[in-house]
Amino acid sequence: QQQVKQSPQSLIVQKGGIPIINCAYENTAFDYFPWYQQFPGKGPALLIAIRPDVSEKKEGRFTISFNKSAKQFSLHIMDSQPGDSATYFCAASIYRRNSGGSNYKLTFGKGTLLTVNP
Amino acid sequence: GAGVSQSPRYKVAKRGQDVALRCDPISGHVSLFWYQQALGQGPEFLTYFQNEAQLDKSGLPSDRFFAERPEGSVSTLKIQRTQQEDSAVYLCASRRTSGRPPYNEQFFGPGTRLTVL
Repeated sequence: QQQVKQSPQSLIVQKGGIPIINCAYENTAFDYFPWYQQFPGKGPALLIAIRPDVSEKKEGRFTISFNKSAKQFSLHIMDSQPGDSATYFCAASIYRRNSGGSNYKLTFGKGTLLTVNP
Repeated sequence: GAGVSQSPRYKVAKRGQDVALRCDPISGHVSLFWYQQALGQGPEFLTYFQNEAQLDKSGLPSDRFFAERPEGSVSTLKIQRTQQEDSAVYLCASRRTSGRPPYNEQFFGPGTRLTVL
């Protein structure tokens, strides 16, 4: 069972457009939702993250919208640039205090390949 | 070093060979994770260390996979008798502490691309 479902699989926008990537999760125990950006040949890098006690977070051109009741969250990229062309992953994790294990391991979506044309 | 480093960056193995993949986390980072990323997929959790203790190995796909971090810094992921389905990018990530995010993000290395022929 895929715990974090991401869509679309790929996305092409023109420079200045606003790509939107969506994720849905199953496990209501998830309490941390980061987005990662990955360029070819590189490891994922944290872009922005949100906790479920807020509905929106904005950092620069990147915004996360979070809908706890629908168990969905999305990434919006304002004024997209060709340099934003990359694969984007949503993820979710659970904090288990004193469990000795499963300490914030990330469960990733399958990724969205974003292409921003000049 | 400024970030997480991994070596080798690329590894080609013949089916049945043993391989060892190395991760150098950011100095002082307590937590270390290994993930497996198949082509066109998101990373999948393999195992987690807190200092030298392996606290979670629930993601290791078989007993051919073994990881260690004997001194709480460098970690090695070993795959015995490699199979074609082991072909993937193996990512290592480290976190400063084991505490609650968002103040302790995971920093990923560039990965080791393993190809099993």
